Amino acid sequence: DIVMTQSPDSLAVSLGERATINCKSSQSVLHSSNNKNYLGWYQQKPGQPPKLVIYWASARESGVPDRFSGSGSGTDFTLTISSLQAEDVAVYYCQQYYSIPFTFGPGTKVDIK
Amino acid sequence: EVQLLESGGGLVQPGGSLRLSCAASGFTFSSYPMSWVRQAPGKGLEWVSVICGSGGSTYYADSVKGRFTISSDNSKNTLYLQMDSLRAEDTAVYYCAKSGGVSCSSHIDYWGQGTLVTVSS
Repeated sequence: DIVMTQSPDSLAVSLGERATINCKSSQSVLHSSNNKNYLGWYQQKPGQPPKLVIYWASARESGVPDRFSGSGSGTDFTLTISSLQAEDVAVYYCQQYYSIPFTFGPGTKVDIK
Repeated sequence: EVQLLESGGGLVQPGGSLRLSCAASGFTFSSYPMSWVRQAPGKGLEWVSVICGSGGSTYYADSVKGRFTISSDNSKNTLYLQMDSLRAEDTAVYYCAKSGGVSCSSHIDYWGQGTLVTVSS
């Protein structure tokens, strides 16, 4: 199984400042046949189901503000919120869908400082 | 508009069974892989199972393999999860989820609101 790790466990950022979350997979999730990274990011607010933010490591889901961006390849990935807003307070999870089981990272909690 | 509505959760004793349903609408149900993902109280997300392709290939997490069965009824646009031999550690909110692409290896683009399963005596 591919093990997903995230860092930090939590972070507090001032409004308008940058938030950076890291995700690492125990093996590469880059598929050589199509050069795509099988990596997604999800946002989960309290009491709500998760919501897709980024897929294929860097493709922003429709309707997601452009302050959210994803980067990385192979085994190391980053979700960046360029200017944190109050509504971005949530837990963020990465997930690999390269191989079954499609494992999630443990989550990173983002708060306002 | 894509909608996923789970039902069937509740309180069950250890060793018991429960069947979850997920009524889907707003997309061509038979064209997309569908998954179940669970979240224990206060914990993170755990992928449980996926059903893929026209042949309905099914895959499971090791933690539920042999106890849970995923299935779908394309005529009813409904996804199911039959859960047998339930354990306390199966207590969680169970989410029904739609894949964002037609391939089994695809991200999840829509989630249901979830249904709570509590396994306790």
